[in-house]
Amino acid sequence: EAQVTQNPRYLITVTGKKLTVTCSQNMNHEYMSWYRQDPGLGLRQIYYSMNVEVTDKGDVPEGYKVSRKEKRNFPLILESPSPNQTSLYFCASRPRAGSTYEQYFGPGTRLTVT
Amino acid sequence: AQSVTQLGSHVSVSEGALVLLRCNYSSSVPPYLFWYVQYPNQGLQLLLKYTTGATLVKGINGFEAEFKKSETSFHLTKPSAHMSDAAEYFCAVTQGPVSYGKLTFGQGTILTVHP
Repeated sequence: EAQVTQNPRYLITVTGKKLTVTCSQNMNHEYMSWYRQDPGLGLRQIYYSMNVEVTDKGDVPEGYKVSRKEKRNFPLILESPSPNQTSLYFCASRPRAGSTYEQYFGPGTRLTVT
Repeated sequence: AQSVTQLGSHVSVSEGALVLLRCNYSSSVPPYLFWYVQYPNQGLQLLLKYTTGATLVKGINGFEAEFKKSETSFHLTKPSAHMSDAAEYFCAVTQGPVSYGKLTFGQGTILTVHP
């Protein structure tokens, strides 16, 4: 089944404790993105990747890191989480070339930083 | 550049009434437009999409949207609301090949359906 998976789905942590949220897709997509969802703000792009070893900042990159060492994986790293990073996070992917440019979303990771 | 504005953060309708959720976009190139729905404590589900061609797009669960270039709008409608339509709805735009995979979302509209 074609899908985007994220782990963990729920995470409660404390300020300053490094964490990684994993994202994996099995569709051989070139483009991958991370979004965060906050009430009243919709979803905002954090980082995106156009292919292996190619990443760039989105609209809200502060406090986050990413890497793309393999085409299928795109982990999101919070090296020193803070309470303002409490949010719902979505990973997404899409092929570079396509007629609809539709993105495929993972199930989301709800992060709470205390 | 691309942006999306959803008019009305909350919309309330009675069961059986017309649903109208408003979305206006800004794009420097022909846009690709999407509506997503998010049910409580769930992820995003694609309702419908406009790419090229017919401007009236039909989606799942009886929803449809019309792309109006002159009004830069992509409003979502459903003739008769059902209790199960209660959810948050997001309009989104991408600029296709020049967007590098970026999807820009509106702020979201929470739809409440009263019996």
